[in-house]
Amino acid sequence: DAGVIQSPRHEVTEMGQEVTLRCKPISGHDYLFWYRQTMMRGLELLIYFNNNVPIDDSGMPEDRFSAKMPNASFSTLKIQPSEPRDSAVYFCASSLMARGHEKLFFGSGTQLSVL
Amino acid sequence: AQKVTQAQTEISVVEKEDVTLDCVYETRDTTYYLFWYKQPPSGELVFLIRRNSFDEQNEISGRYSWNFQKSTSSFNFTITASQVVDSAVYFCALSEAWSGNTPLVFGKGTRLSVIA
Repeated sequence: DAGVIQSPRHEVTEMGQEVTLRCKPISGHDYLFWYRQTMMRGLELLIYFNNNVPIDDSGMPEDRFSAKMPNASFSTLKIQPSEPRDSAVYFCASSLMARGHEKLFFGSGTQLSVL
Repeated sequence: AQKVTQAQTEISVVEKEDVTLDCVYETRDTTYYLFWYKQPPSGELVFLIRRNSFDEQNEISGRYSWNFQKSTSSFNFTITASQVVDSAVYFCALSEAWSGNTPLVFGKGTRLSVIA
C-alpha cells in the first residue's frame, strides 16, 4: 500500500519565483495536513483539510502561501512569490480520524531552498 | 493552549547505553493524546506510539519503553541498549480532544546520536 507521496523531493528556486508543492494522501484518509519544519521553529502546522475542505489555515504565514485540495487524492501548497525565509522542509501528512486521534502518516517531505 | 516541551536539544550516547528522552506537555483539556515520532536521517517521520490521557499504564515495545505520568505532565521515552540505528530526531506531540480531533502540536525534537 503506497504511503503519502510528495513531490518534488527537492526544490531550488530564486527569490520571487512561484513554488508549488504537491501531495497525494493515502487512499481513504479524510484528513490532510501541511507542516513546515525549520531548525528555529521545529514542526509547524500550516493548514489542514477534512474531506477536501480547509478547516484551519491559521498557521499559514502570510498571503503568499495558499493551499488547495481539489479532490480526495491531491493537494497543493503554493508560495508566490517565494522568499529566502521560506526555505524549509515541507511535509504533507494524512490520517483517518474515525474515532479518537489516529496517527498521522507523513510523506518524505520537500526540501525547499529559496536563493 | 497546548504546548509540548522537549528540553533536550541533542543527546549523544555510546552504543549499548540506555537513554531517556524527556517530554513535558501543557494542556487544559482532560482528554488528550500523546505521541512519539521518529525522524531518521532519511527525513520521513515515523509513528512510534500513541497514548490517551486515561491510560497511564507504561508501555514496552522491545528496546523502547514509555513512561506516562499525569502528575508531572510528562511522557518520557527510554531506549534500552541503544544502537546506531536509533540515531534520529525524536518528536513528542500532543493532540487535545475538547473540540474534536485537533491537529498534533509537536515539540522541537531531540536529536539522538548513538556512537559505535
